Amino acid sequence: IAGITQAPTSQILAAGRRMTLRCTQDMRHNAMYWYRQDLGLGLRLIHYSNTAGTTGKGEVPDGYSVSRANTDDFPLTLASAVPSQTSVYFCASSDSETGGLDTQYFGPGTRLTVL
Amino acid sequence: QKEVEQNSGPLSVPEGAIASLNCTYSDRGSQSFFWYRQYSGKSPELIMFIYSNGDKEDGRFTAQLNKASQYVSLLIRDSQPSDSATYLCAVNIGDTGNQFYFGTGTSLTVIP
Repeated sequence: IAGITQAPTSQILAAGRRMTLRCTQDMRHNAMYWYRQDLGLGLRLIHYSNTAGTTGKGEVPDGYSVSRANTDDFPLTLASAVPSQTSVYFCASSDSETGGLDTQYFGPGTRLTVL
Repeated sequence: QKEVEQNSGPLSVPEGAIASLNCTYSDRGSQSFFWYRQYSGKSPELIMFIYSNGDKEDGRFTAQLNKASQYVSLLIRDSQPSDSATYLCAVNIGDTGNQFYFGTGTSLTVIP
């Protein structure tokens, strides 16, 4: 089934450990995004990529890094996890390089707990 | 002040009634506006977007935009129990076009 896949579905992680959340889309969309969703704070943009080879910072980028080596994959890395990074992480993609009016399609999410 | 504000609810309406969901935003340069629906434990899915002042209708859903008042709303006519979900307002701001800001969402319950 076409769409966005994320892995893992959930993860419990010790503080200080390194973790990479994976995101793959098969829709050949140009733009991809990472959000975190926290109760009472809603969805917040972490990083985005307009097209392969480019990335940009969103609203809450600190403690996270991304890469976009190809069109399909957009991994999110926590270099040294902290408890405040406990959240549900959603990856999304859209067709346009500049977002705008394009529909964002969301992956199923990764529930991350940092202890 | 958050970029996008929504009343968190919960909002309860009887089946068949009109549900009205509201959203305000702070950046006058905002260009496009989106409504997403999110069921509990699921990912957001787009209902509709609007970028011009006025109303935009799609089936039972109507989005309304007033840029002068920095206000966008979503009306759901003939509400159904399956409409029970959290509704997220999102605004696209920023020169790159990829800076999306979401509200915290309004929880809607449609009572049979």
